[in-house]
Amino acid sequence: EAQVTQNPRYLITVTGKKLTVTCSQNMNHEYMSWYRQDPGLGLRQIYYSMNVEVTDKGDVPEGYKVSRKEKRNFPLILESPSPNQTSLYFCASGKQGAQETQYFGPGTRLLVL
Amino acid sequence: QKEVEQNSGPLSVPEGAIASLNCTYSDRGSQSFFWYRQYSGKSPELIMSIYSNGDKEDGRFTAQLNKASQYVSLLIRDSQPSDSATYLCAVEPRSGGYNKLIFGAGTRLAVHP
Repeated sequence: EAQVTQNPRYLITVTGKKLTVTCSQNMNHEYMSWYRQDPGLGLRQIYYSMNVEVTDKGDVPEGYKVSRKEKRNFPLILESPSPNQTSLYFCASGKQGAQETQYFGPGTRLLVL
Repeated sequence: QKEVEQNSGPLSVPEGAIASLNCTYSDRGSQSFFWYRQYSGKSPELIMSIYSNGDKEDGRFTAQLNKASQYVSLLIRDSQPSDSATYLCAVEPRSGGYNKLIFGAGTRLAVHP
């Protein structure tokens, strides 16, 4: 079954405690991306990757890091989380240049106290 | 001005009626346009894409695009309670080419029996 998986699905943490949200896809997609979704603001892109070892900033990259060492995985790293990073996070993957193939993961709800 | 604007709703329609969802965008050179449906607590799923002016029909859904007016809409005919969800409009800006999408904040649709 074609899918994008994220872990954990729910996370409560405290300010400053480093965390990683994993994302994995089994569709051999070149493109992967992280979004955050906040009420009234819609989905905003954090980082994206066009292929292994190729990553770039989206619209709201501050406070986040990513890496793409393998094609299937695209972890999101919060080195020092702050309360304003409390949000719903979605990972997505797709074929490069083919928007209609973009699949979203199930989401990770993060609360930073 | 937001890049992609939608009325947040809720838009309430009776079962069997036509629901009309609207979206405007600011980048006149935008290439491609998408409608995603997002059920509460779930990830967005693509339901329609449209690339040229006019109408595109798929089952009960019709997407309409007017690039001159920078306007895209989604019509849902014979609305069902299962259509109750938030509908996200997404636009590929002219500087795309790497799967970038700009999302609106979404319109919440409620279909009542």
